[in-house]
Amino acid sequence: SQTIHQWPATLVQPVGSPLSLECTVEGTSNPNLYWYRQAAGRGLQLLFYSVGIGQISSEVPQNLSASRPQDRQFILSSKKLLLSDSGFYLCAWSVQGSIGELFFGEGSRLTVL
Amino acid sequence: AQSVSQHNHHVILSEAASLELGCNYSYGGTVNLFWYVQYPGQHLQLLLKYFSGDPLVKGIKGFEAEFIKSKFSFNLRKPSVQWSDTAEYFCAVNAATGFQKLVFGTGTRLLVSP
Repeated sequence: SQTIHQWPATLVQPVGSPLSLECTVEGTSNPNLYWYRQAAGRGLQLLFYSVGIGQISSEVPQNLSASRPQDRQFILSSKKLLLSDSGFYLCAWSVQGSIGELFFGEGSRLTVL
Repeated sequence: AQSVSQHNHHVILSEAASLELGCNYSYGGTVNLFWYVQYPGQHLQLLLKYFSGDPLVKGIKGFEAEFIKSKFSFNLRKPSVQWSDTAEYFCAVNAATGFQKLVFGTGTRLLVSP
């Protein structure tokens, strides 16, 4: 069966520090991968998605970047965090060519102080 | 681009009451529609989905949703809620063709009191 893991689950970082959130999927090949941010009252905002290694599409211009160094690994990064980067980040995957059902990870809570 | 509106941000019901959560989308083409649920402390999971065919779809735990194309709506219903239905519910839509980016609504927090 397929599983998705995100880490760390909780992170507290000072403004201006770097960020790296990791997500890995097991039990499937060549998945579509996604990073969403969940904010209270704003639902889930799609940040990045990837259809293959090294292929990243950005949905929202911002202080974050994403990379996909391996087929089942998706990384969310920032060189210098802002206060506004605080939030709950969700990684998800879907089957290539599927109609669109997404499978979500447990999420990572980022607090920037 | 697609967009989704969920007009009820917070809903409080007593057990056995009926539930209907509104969802409207904006997109000119053919869409796929979803309802996801996030129970306290758990990850988002799919509740039900509509791709084509019968506009009334049934999901897990007694939930159903009806796609009304003329109203661009996909409302979620349950005849009798339980305390365990307390959760946040998200409506989502993607275009039926092209890459399937899932666009979510802002969510509705449902609290069911015993």
